[in-house]
Amino acid sequence: QSALTQPASVSGSPGQSITISCTGTSSDVGGYNYVSWYQQHPGKAPKLIIYDVSNRPSGISNRFSGSKSGNTASLTISGLQAEDEADYYCGSQTSSITPHVVFGGGTRLTVL
Amino acid sequence: QLQLQESGPGLVKPSETLSLTCTVSGGSISSSNYHWGWIRQPPGKGLECIGTIYYSGRTYYNPSLKSRVTMSVDTSKNQFSLKLSSVTAADTAVYYCASDRGGGNFDYWGQGTLVTVSS
Repeated sequence: QSALTQPASVSGSPGQSITISCTGTSSDVGGYNYVSWYQQHPGKAPKLIIYDVSNRPSGISNRFSGSKSGNTASLTISGLQAEDEADYYCGSQTSSITPHVVFGGGTRLTVL
Repeated sequence: QLQLQESGPGLVKPSETLSLTCTVSGGSISSSNYHWGWIRQPPGKGLECIGTIYYSGRTYYNPSLKSRVTMSVDTSKNQFSLKLSSVTAADTAVYYCASDRGGGNFDYWGQGTLVTVSS
């Protein structure tokens, strides 16, 4: 069982927007502005698309945006494209027991 | 731009120790800007952070694995390493090394290496 809770799957049509939630506790998501989001295509390594809740690394499309409210972080993908179909994982620093990093269980995005 | 590459045996016997090395290029492992991490992914499952290490040797281990994990840094070779002892089939996974730009934000990843635990 993952420390952070994500929906198992979401779907949307090309051009639409979708949002993936990531729910934790005050010891992780709610306690730090260190939430990250990763995109993973089959057989590939994860790719950082959002860091520190809402920042995009260089080269990442502005169609990807992140936010946080309380113990829940969210990833929004606007203008869905076929290549966005992938697994998405959230991650957060945590102070539970000892400082370390926890991930969500992952969300499979299907572009219809 | 950093590049990371995992290396090590792809097959480990139960109860033995899994050992992997990550070679970093395109930057110094002694940089104060980075921690260095190991993340694993069992087949068909999600990501699990094993732990991170700073160039000074300070470590931050996942509490669920802490009793079996040892990480180290070799600044002369620009490498960091993972040892996981007393492995079982549950440790079968793709193991990734990655750079942590701070706060557990892993920005550069190796391609991953599959380690199978089997006799």
